[in-house]
Amino acid sequence: AQRVTQPEKLLSVFKGAPVELKCNYSYSGSPELFWYVQYSRQRLQLLLRHISRESIKGFTADLNKGETSFHLKKPFAQEEDSAMYYCALTITGTASKLTFGTGTRLQVTL
Amino acid sequence: KAGVTQTPRYLIKTRGQQVTLSCSPISGHRSVSWYQQTPGQGLQFLFEYFSETQRNKGNFPGRFSGRQFSNSRSEMNVSTLELGDSALYLCASSISAIAGELFFGEGSRLTVL
Repeated sequence: AQRVTQPEKLLSVFKGAPVELKCNYSYSGSPELFWYVQYSRQRLQLLLRHISRESIKGFTADLNKGETSFHLKKPFAQEEDSAMYYCALTITGTASKLTFGTGTRLQVTL
Repeated sequence: KAGVTQTPRYLIKTRGQQVTLSCSPISGHRSVSWYQQTPGQGLQFLFEYFSETQRNKGNFPGRFSGRQFSNSRSEMNVSTLELGDSALYLCASSISAIAGELFFGEGSRLTVL
């Protein structure tokens, strides 16, 4: 069975500092990886997915199959980045069946 | 366009009762999936429906069931409620059956006493 691990429950950084939210997965095949974000009092929403290889709100994530990782990075944290971040995985043929990590709360302070 | 709508938003039940939760997906979305969110287990997949057919099911007991109607609206039912069923139940819709962006509702918070 596939598994997603987010080792940090809380990550606290200063505004302007680099951010890296860690995500490791276990799956022997070719997964699809996502980052979902939940801002305070808002719904869970997609931040980015590895296939699109785009940068959203300054965030990027690269799928490293060798290290089975999909870390989320941003060079300069902003206050509005404070939120709960979830890494998620799905496998071919199970479209909406996401396996989520336990989430990391990012706290950006002045 | 309107987002995913879940009703009721909050409900309290007692052990042994049953509950039905409703989800209206975004217009045009044919895939609806359900997730249970608890502090201990996090977000766990319950099941997914596409065109009224259950495509995938998570590792939950048979007390958890669901269905999807021809208008893509979905319901999930939990029978013989247990204390451990207390959770936030999230519904998500997507436009197609292949992997894509899920749009989540605000959830239905169930408390079992």
